[in-house]
Amino acid sequence: KNQVEQSPQSLIILEGKNCTLQCNYTVSPFSNLRWYKQDTGRGPVSLTIMTFSENTKSNGRYTATLDADTKQSSLHITASQLSDSASYICVVSGGEYGNKLVFGAGTILRVKS
Amino acid sequence: KAGVTQTPRYLIKTRGQQVTLSCSPISGHRSVSWYQQTPGQGLQFLFEYFSETQRNKGNFPGRFSGRQFSNSRSEMNVSTLELGDSALYLCASSLAAFSYEQYFGPGTRLTVT
Repeated sequence: KNQVEQSPQSLIILEGKNCTLQCNYTVSPFSNLRWYKQDTGRGPVSLTIMTFSENTKSNGRYTATLDADTKQSSLHITASQLSDSASYICVVSGGEYGNKLVFGAGTILRVKS
Repeated sequence: KAGVTQTPRYLIKTRGQQVTLSCSPISGHRSVSWYQQTPGQGLQFLFEYFSETQRNKGNFPGRFSGRQFSNSRSEMNVSTLELGDSALYLCASSLAAFSYEQYFGPGTRLTVT
């Protein structure tokens, strides 16, 4: 069964600290993996998109890694800011025709001052 | 360039009624996807339209339908509303079908009473 599991479910960190969010998937065959940031009451915004051949991709203070062998991805946030408080969603694209999207439940991050 | 717009932003309907939501993609984008987001189920894919044709469909009952017009604008219709249809409905546009980069709108918050 194609699944995407994210951990932790929620996280609270102090402003300025780093954190890492995890995403494990079983989607096969694999096409790409996306990380989205969703602020409360708004639509998701794409942070990174990685294909099978990419191990790491950065977008400012956000760095995503992908291990296609173990089917794991992580999103590392450096020097967190209050504005990083949001839900982070991992989405894996794949399936027989490459058109199946499987969403993780998301990790809710709260950055405290 | 204007982003994805969705109307209305908020809607309250009664069980048994039907509702139509509208999405205008980014200029030049020909693919529109629809998603349902609820606290319990997270983001779930409804369907994707490209050049007025449905190219991909999620696992939702036939009460959920959509269409796309020649100007790429899309509408989603839900008939015989149920309490469980209360959700944030998100629309995302991209240049092509199954494209990596999707840009989400702010969503329509539907409440069914």
